[in-house]
Amino acid sequence: SQQGEEDPQALSIQEGENATMNCSYKTSINNLQWYRQNSGRGLVHLILIRSNEREKHSGRLRVTLDTSKKSSSLLITASRAADTASYFCATETQGGSEKLVFGKGTKLTVNP
Amino acid sequence: KAGVTQTPRYLIKTRGQQVTLSCSPISGHRSVSWYQQTPGQGLQFLFEYFSETQRNKGNFPGRFSGRQFSNSRSEMNVSTLELGDSALYLCASSPPGQGTKGNEQFFGPGTRLTVL
Repeated sequence: SQQGEEDPQALSIQEGENATMNCSYKTSINNLQWYRQNSGRGLVHLILIRSNEREKHSGRLRVTLDTSKKSSSLLITASRAADTASYFCATETQGGSEKLVFGKGTKLTVNP
Repeated sequence: KAGVTQTPRYLIKTRGQQVTLSCSPISGHRSVSWYQQTPGQGLQFLFEYFSETQRNKGNFPGRFSGRQFSNSRSEMNVSTLELGDSALYLCASSPPGQGTKGNEQFFGPGTRLTVL
């Protein structure tokens, strides 16, 4: 069953603009991770934020986590055509194991 | 270090057949997880192995099985294939005790299975 739900399902922007994707989840988590998937390929880990963290940065990526609202957002600044991909949030639930529960993803298209 | 490798990359089978997919984790990684990805259901967890033991299992019928060898390589098997088993099967590995990195998983490129 899906834990995370990404919003929007699809997003189309121009190069240079910022892209914001949101993720909501249902149960308490240890951490939340964001992954990127280029068309039909394996997933690439982008960033992990722990339940006791509120914000994290990595290059052009900024992730926020609001555990009271059970939601997270991924911001990609100054987007590039190469950022075109699907982005997934994945949660590791409390009391769980090395198992991630993924949302259905946001398909981002960055137009040159 | 070499990444996670999966073989074969593409596979075409017919209904009723069985299939075995292979995954070699990153050297030193002992945990291997398998996921099924379909357009309708998204990414769904199949099972996770650690030190040759299945630690977790997702909500899939018994036709889906797996195992892990002493060198951490893993295989998954699907018997009596159905049309709905057509999917991208992804394998991921992670080292134990990643410290501040938590349970980041490293994914392979996947095996695209088509059932006709």
